[in-house]
Amino acid sequence: NAGVTQTPKFRVLKTGQSMTLLCAQDMNHEYMYWYRQDPGMGLRLIHYSVGEGTTAKGEVPDGYNVSRLKKQNFLLGLESAAPSQTSVYFCASSYSLNIQYFGAGTRLSVL
Amino acid sequence: QQQVKQSPQSLIVQKGGIPIINCAYENTAFDYFPWYQQFPGKGPALLIAIRPDVSEKKEGRFTISFNKSAKQFSLHIMDSQPGDSATYFCAASSAGGTSYGKLTFGQGTILTVHP
Repeated sequence: NAGVTQTPKFRVLKTGQSMTLLCAQDMNHEYMYWYRQDPGMGLRLIHYSVGEGTTAKGEVPDGYNVSRLKKQNFLLGLESAAPSQTSVYFCASSYSLNIQYFGAGTRLSVL
Repeated sequence: QQQVKQSPQSLIVQKGGIPIINCAYENTAFDYFPWYQQFPGKGPALLIAIRPDVSEKKEGRFTISFNKSAKQFSLHIMDSQPGDSATYFCAASSAGGTSYGKLTFGQGTILTVHP
């Protein structure tokens, strides 16, 4: 049982480049979330989804887009990466609106 | 705007000590307060959680104390072990309306337990 899988684990981008982070869950969860983790800031919600085909903005959505075409996948896109987007990105999924299960994270550096 | 404030930022204790991590919240609509534990290179994992209808919850060596009137809650780790060394996050959410289980996290506390 893989749980929540994030790919890639590490990535280095140049300013202005684009990329997509993939999150896949095999627990049939309805709810999925993307967070970013920065030192001293905790985890901040970027976007979330309450079901296949739905997305909504979180606390810090600017510069990011998301899609949930399939229930098990939640994609996070950076159209034009900026150094301020250097962070560790975590995906989570949930079925109970309380317990969230997190992936291992993607460490992104934007130069 | 940080709606959940966590302290201290870091904490060092000796094995067997009782580290205490404190959190304060502002939003009175919050009604679920979990603690997550994160080891280096891993994602956070739910450790223990409490709802405001009780003042204390204990699971093994981990205890949450909750003070609704003060809008504060804390995590106590009894008989701490080196394996408890991790980053701890408090969080809060509300069950109603369009919250959809969204968690608001504190800033995190890096706990180090020396042997």
